[in-house]
Amino acid sequence: KQEVTQIPAALSVPEGENLVLNCSFTDSAIYNLQWFRQDPGKGLTSLLLIQSSQREQTSGRLNASLDKSSGRSTLYIAASQPGDSATYLCAVYMEYGNKLVFGAGTILRVKS
Amino acid sequence: EAQVTQNPRYLITVTGKKLTVTCSQNMNHEYMSWYRQDPGLGLRQIYYSMNVEVTDKGDVPEGYKVSRKEKRNFPLILESPSPNQTSLYFCASSTGTGGVLYEKLFFGSGTQLSVL
Repeated sequence: KQEVTQIPAALSVPEGENLVLNCSFTDSAIYNLQWFRQDPGKGLTSLLLIQSSQREQTSGRLNASLDKSSGRSTLYIAASQPGDSATYLCAVYMEYGNKLVFGAGTILRVKS
Repeated sequence: EAQVTQNPRYLITVTGKKLTVTCSQNMNHEYMSWYRQDPGLGLRQIYYSMNVEVTDKGDVPEGYKVSRKEKRNFPLILESPSPNQTSLYFCASSTGTGGVLYEKLFFGSGTQLSVL
């Protein structure tokens, strides 16, 4: 059974810091991995999608990497801002069973 | 505007009273799915649909029903709600090519359900 773990569970940093969020998964039979952002009381917004054949994706200050064989992904946020405060979730889409398995998320707080 | 619309936003009901949460998308997506989000457990998939008239169980389907009669709509039905179904529910949609999700998932704003 696929298990997705996100570390740390919570993170508080001063504005301007570069930071890394980690996502690990136990079963490497995945089609792709997505990183989402969730603001309080709102739905999830997809930030980056990495196909299993890709190593990384970039969007603005965000960069996500994927090492499928070792079961790891990282989300790098450059020059963090208070507006980046949210919960960040990763999810893997399995090669079998059409399953999308989510991690529990990392709660990020960026202090001004 | 491309969006996934869920209704209602908040719902309080009593045990055993049938209810339906609606979900509609305007992006012509083949794939639609329902999730519940509980503290400490993250998001868990309830049901999903790869296209009209094609639905399948996710990880936690017990106590729920779905139907996909039209491409844009995917309602979630609780025939006899119980307190353990109190949760935050999300509908999502995406493009499904050949039965596989290769594109980003779009989520609705969520429905907070309380079953007393």
